[in-house]
Amino acid sequence: GDSVTQMEGPVTLSEEAFLTINCTYTATGYPSLFWYVQYPGEGLQLLLKATKADDKGSNKGFEATYRKETTSFHLEKGSVQVSDSAVYFCALSQGGSEKLVFGKGTKLTVNP
Amino acid sequence: GAVVSQHPSWVICKSGTSVKIECRSLDFQATTMFWYRQFPKQSLMLMATSNEGSKATYEQGVEKDKFLINHASLTLSTLTVTSAHPEDSSFYICSAHGTGRAYEQYFGPGTRLTVT
Repeated sequence: GDSVTQMEGPVTLSEEAFLTINCTYTATGYPSLFWYVQYPGEGLQLLLKATKADDKGSNKGFEATYRKETTSFHLEKGSVQVSDSAVYFCALSQGGSEKLVFGKGTKLTVNP
Repeated sequence: GAVVSQHPSWVICKSGTSVKIECRSLDFQATTMFWYRQFPKQSLMLMATSNEGSKATYEQGVEKDKFLINHASLTLSTLTVTSAHPEDSSFYICSAHGTGRAYEQYFGPGTRLTVT
């Protein structure tokens, strides 16, 4: 079945550091790919998405590019802020289905 | 953005009792709601898909008689954990997929269930 693998956390960075959270997937066909973020005490929120190969999703300074050749969707941000501290989940869905398959989540802590 | 609420946010119950968790879409109609379970340091695992007015579709390995799901209206779905046991202790999260909103689900904040 489909699966998502993302780097184990936790990740601790200083403010203004560069962030990369790796995500790779295993799936048949051409899934849609997502990054969700969960701030402390809140529900998951969609951060960005890409629906086809070579698409780049971006939001709030975060970016991720759908790489079919490497089956990856790595999350990057050039300069993190303390407010970016959260848990980040990579996910996929198939063929217009609403069902999401999640990675295990990566906890990010940004220190001032 | 759209808001999904869950109630209660946390609950402690004794083994053998039943617990009901509500999931509401506050400002949109949700034709489909999903229930997830999350263990510590684990991913969200989809338990079931709930469609308004019809029976829920359960994922493989999820006991439908233990985790009763009712989607009685376009804004409310409930998950009842029947005859709860300590191994049912977990974080339960719902999400709602609205009409006309492609590719996006809105998640509730989750309910922490502890069975003693």
